[in-house]
Amino acid sequence: EIVMTQSPATLSVSPGERATLSCRASQSLSSNLAWYQQKPGQAPRLLIYGASNRATGIPARFSGSGSGTEFTLTISSLQSEDFAVYYCQQYHNWPPVTFGGGTKVEIK
Amino acid sequence: EVQVVESGGGLVQPGRSLRLSCRTSGFTFADYALNWVRQAPGKGLEWVGFIRNQAYGGTTEYAASVKGRFSISRDDSKSIAYLEMNSLKADDTAVYYCSRGWVPSAVDLFDYWGQGTLVTVSS
Repeated sequence: EIVMTQSPATLSVSPGERATLSCRASQSLSSNLAWYQQKPGQAPRLLIYGASNRATGIPARFSGSGSGTEFTLTISSLQSEDFAVYYCQQYHNWPPVTFGGGTKVEIK
Repeated sequence: EVQVVESGGGLVQPGRSLRLSCRTSGFTFADYALNWVRQAPGKGLEWVGFIRNQAYGGTTEYAASVKGRFSISRDDSKSIAYLEMNSLKADDTAVYYCSRGWVPSAVDLFDYWGQGTLVTVSS
């Protein structure tokens, strides 16, 4: 089973600033990595797939990069609606697909 | 509009069973795999299992933590998937989400999710 590790656990950012979230895999994923956003009391929403492709309807301020074992989600200019928990998920070697522990982006 | 709605959660005693339902609309249910993902209170996401579409045999896969206790089925005529949970443990306490594969037949990424149903296992 591939283990996904996200850092930091919590990121404090001011509105309008850039946020950079990291995700590391225990083995190479090629580009089979996705990012989800989850707000309190809501289901996760698919943001990024294939490490760098935005899902339908996702704003351009969200971007993903990386390959192999190191991946990054960048939110270029944080809006109020972006404060949430973000999870990475590998789908390179399944079952099982596995998720990282999440990064909470909170208002500074 | 794609809709996914889970139901059937509640309080159940350890060792008992519960069946969750996942009702869907707005897409051709028979073409898609369905996954169940759970989230313990205050914790992260854990994949539970999936059922493929009939074109891929309707086969199932499960996480090691639930294999042998949980079972997923589907009724394509009603556009509903089910999660049958037996021998429930306190560790199974979670919000259970149903989610659709992101493209027909895909089992590895999830584009539409329901709002989840809470299962609490406690005496």
